Amino acid sequence: GENVEQHPSTLSVQEGDSAVIKCTYSDSASNYFPWYKQELGKRPQLIIDIRSNVGEKKDQRIAVTLNKTAKHFSLHITETQPEDSAVYFCAARGGSYIPTFGRGTSLIVHP
Amino acid sequence: DGGITQSPKYLFRKEGQNVTLSCEQNLNHDAMYWYRQDPGQGLRLIYYSQIVNDFQKGDIAEGYSVSREKKESFPLTVTSAQKNPTAFYLCASSLSGIGSEQYFGPGTRLTVT
Repeated sequence: GENVEQHPSTLSVQEGDSAVIKCTYSDSASNYFPWYKQELGKRPQLIIDIRSNVGEKKDQRIAVTLNKTAKHFSLHITETQPEDSAVYFCAARGGSYIPTFGRGTSLIVHP
Repeated sequence: DGGITQSPKYLFRKEGQNVTLSCEQNLNHDAMYWYRQDPGQGLRLIYYSQIVNDFQKGDIAEGYSVSREKKESFPLTVTSAQKNPTAFYLCASSLSGIGSEQYFGPGTRLTVT
């Protein structure tokens, strides 16, 4: 089955800096890669996703890149703000349509 | 807020008791899922269902049971056979197509003492 590794487990940045979270996956058949943000005690919510037919997608301060050859994808957050502080999860989904999640990255943005 | 609800938000039970967590959605989604979340463990799949009256075990199904008698409802029972039931439980739903976004419920925090 699919295996998703996510790094780092904790990321601490100053407000205004950029943050990058990286994930690798094992199943070359995976073709859908969502990213979720989970604030403390709340439900995970989709913030951006990418499909295997594109290499990059942007939405305001958030971007995701995908390298299918290397089987890794990354979340980039620019101009971080304290409200970006949360746990971020990557996931990979392939032919089974059941996503496999990474273990999460706790992002802390210091004012 | 997503059209998927879970109840209750907090649940306390004594060891040895079975407990059922509710999950309801009005999104007309075919697929529903149950995840368990522990600190540092990410989201681990317990059970999932693609259609009514059918469900499949996920990665950590032991000690849990589910039913899918209605499209809108996917209750999870945590049995006394589950060794470490204290956790945050999340229900999700999606359309059944590949690449369909999952919508999560607000979660139920279960504490067993």
